[in-house]
Amino acid sequence: GAVVSQHPSWVICKSGTSVKIECRSLDFQATTMFWYRQFPKQSLMLMATSNEGSKATYEQGVEKDKFLINHASLTLSTLTVTSAHPEDSSFYICSAPDNVGDSPLHFGNGTRLTVT
Amino acid sequence: GNSVTQMEGPVTLSEEAFLTINCTYTATGYPSLFWYVQYPGEGLQLLLKATKADDKGSNKGFEATYRKETTSFHLEKGSVQVSDSAVYFCALTPNQAGTALIFGKGTTLSVSS
Repeated sequence: GAVVSQHPSWVICKSGTSVKIECRSLDFQATTMFWYRQFPKQSLMLMATSNEGSKATYEQGVEKDKFLINHASLTLSTLTVTSAHPEDSSFYICSAPDNVGDSPLHFGNGTRLTVT
Repeated sequence: GNSVTQMEGPVTLSEEAFLTINCTYTATGYPSLFWYVQYPGEGLQLLLKATKADDKGSNKGFEATYRKETTSFHLEKGSVQVSDSAVYFCALTPNQAGTALIFGKGTTLSVSS
């Protein structure tokens, strides 16, 4: 079945540095990918919609200059957390629709970001 | 707007007990409804879905019925197993192609033998 690969699965970085998270669709093309953020014991909150060949669409309250999204190809979207701070520590999950299977979205396994 | 509310956890059950996790939604139009499961250390997986009123989704012994009159999509299983321990998310999509899912907060289920 359709698989979405997310890398890295966990990362620890120092305050002020930037971290890039990759999301790849392995056996289908995704013109759209979604980035979610999950706080402990909280729901998955949609951060932005990544669109291949155009700018990402950010949800209200999400800083586009802090969370840079680049949808470089039909199988790759990246989320860069710039100048990370401890409050950016969270679980980030990407997803993509394949428009074929039963699930409207296929999910990556998530990236646990810890900023020290 | 669209939103999903599910019961607070954690839910702790003994093996073979009956499970209900409540989920209600608010939506404009005619959404599709889903239950996703997240096992420890793994990504989200679709458990079941229903796309219109009175549809029943079922998988692995789990069931949920799309109730438009009560705007609910409660998850049930007659006899849980230890391997069902996971976090369960109720979600909806407004039924437009390529739109993101809207999730509830998730309910942690812990089943002991």
